[in-house]
Amino acid sequence: KNEVEQSPQNLTAQEGEFITINCSYSVGISALHWLQQHPGGGIVSLFMLSSGKKKHGRLIATINIQEKHSSLHITASHPRDSAVYICAVPLRGSQGNLIFGKGTKLSVKP
Amino acid sequence: GAGVSQSPRYKVAKRGQDVALRCDPISGHVSLFWYQQALGQGPEFLTYFQNEAQLDKSGLPSDRFFAERPEGSVSTLKIQRTQQEDSAVYLCASSSDRNIQYFGAGTRLSVL
Repeated sequence: KNEVEQSPQNLTAQEGEFITINCSYSVGISALHWLQQHPGGGIVSLFMLSSGKKKHGRLIATINIQEKHSSLHITASHPRDSAVYICAVPLRGSQGNLIFGKGTKLSVKP
Repeated sequence: GAGVSQSPRYKVAKRGQDVALRCDPISGHVSLFWYQQALGQGPEFLTYFQNEAQLDKSGLPSDRFFAERPEGSVSTLKIQRTQQEDSAVYLCASSSDRNIQYFGAGTRLSVL
């Protein structure tokens, strides 16, 4: 069983829609990362959070440590938001090695 | 440079060939990670350096994989006698602490 599970695997939305991507993890963590990967491979770190909620522009990330669950929300989605969104947690006892979910491929249609 | 730089961006190798992938981390970043990402999958950890010391190589899939960071800056991931299953995107990330990791664009390796 993957230690980090994401849903949905694929998501298609119309421009302007509110989007939610979910991440569940089975290990104790100190923090959780949300990353964005565009075609071609490059990964950008969006958020690192250990409690509560963080907001950056149209992106909002929340985490519930007790339930071992995090969500990434995109408000007023735009075609340029199309990418793969990946949830990752550091391996406990490691130097920060990340365990990644398989990613959610988001496609926003104009 | 401003970000993590990886080269080459794309590499096509014949099965059995040796390859070397380079990572230039953000200047001053102590931590450097290598990850392997197979098609349609999330990245998986390969190895970790703190300065020039390779503190964790538990993710290297076989002894054909070797990584070094001799001066604590640039790192090279070498794969000997490449096999088709080595085809993947190889990602490098650097960090100044154990928190935010900054990723390079990756090297896409195709073994024919």
